[in-house]
Amino acid sequence: DAGITQSPRHKVTETGTPVTLRCHQTENHRYMYWYRQDPGHGLRLIHYSYGVKDTDKGEVSDGYSVSRSKTEDFLLTLESATSSQTSVYFCAISERGQVGGKVRGSSYNEQFFGPGTRLTVL
Amino acid sequence: QKEVEQNSGPLSVPEGAIASLNCTYSDRGSQSFFWYRQYSGKSPELIMFIYSNGDKEDGRFTAQLNKASQYVSLLIRDSQPSDSATYLCAVYTGANSKLTFGKGITLSVRP
Repeated sequence: DAGITQSPRHKVTETGTPVTLRCHQTENHRYMYWYRQDPGHGLRLIHYSYGVKDTDKGEVSDGYSVSRSKTEDFLLTLESATSSQTSVYFCAISERGQVGGKVRGSSYNEQFFGPGTRLTVL
Repeated sequence: QKEVEQNSGPLSVPEGAIASLNCTYSDRGSQSFFWYRQYSGKSPELIMFIYSNGDKEDGRFTAQLNKASQYVSLLIRDSQPSDSATYLCAVYTGANSKLTFGKGITLSVRP
């Protein structure tokens, strides 16, 4: 298994409270992602990072912020949690690249997932 | 909006049968294609990837890609109860290093 951990694994919180989820990797992969997974919606990208301090929004970024101060850690923060943010959150990593038209390494952009965090907002 | 569509499920097959899972995508510029398996309560696990037209085999799994028709499929031969899971199709379009996922299809292999 790729060395990806997420913490906490389970959390119950109340509406309006801030919540931070942590993703930690030991693979030294450049790219990191945060997804949420909900019944009927599949996996949806929240934010992603393509390097230290380099992040960008995904398709469902409202209400979420991220930070990446070092390669191995990617934090997802819910500034003021709402019940609609009750979900399972997955972190993923990837070591990919298209430099000068060539794909680095032997991978073709696959992502590897952490174990997930189940968040309940009451 | 780039889209990845998978058959609505669930799909049920008897043990030993071939399970056929299909996926279509909207972006003709898509470059590589992935199948993930996700057991209930677990995280997605990569089982196959394909980037060239044709078939790619790995054990009991065969991925098939047809870029002209914009579909990718996964065949599971000699299906086993342990194959019962949700299968996610994902597509890499080369834009911003992101994958687009389908909603998944749940496969049930009955003994």
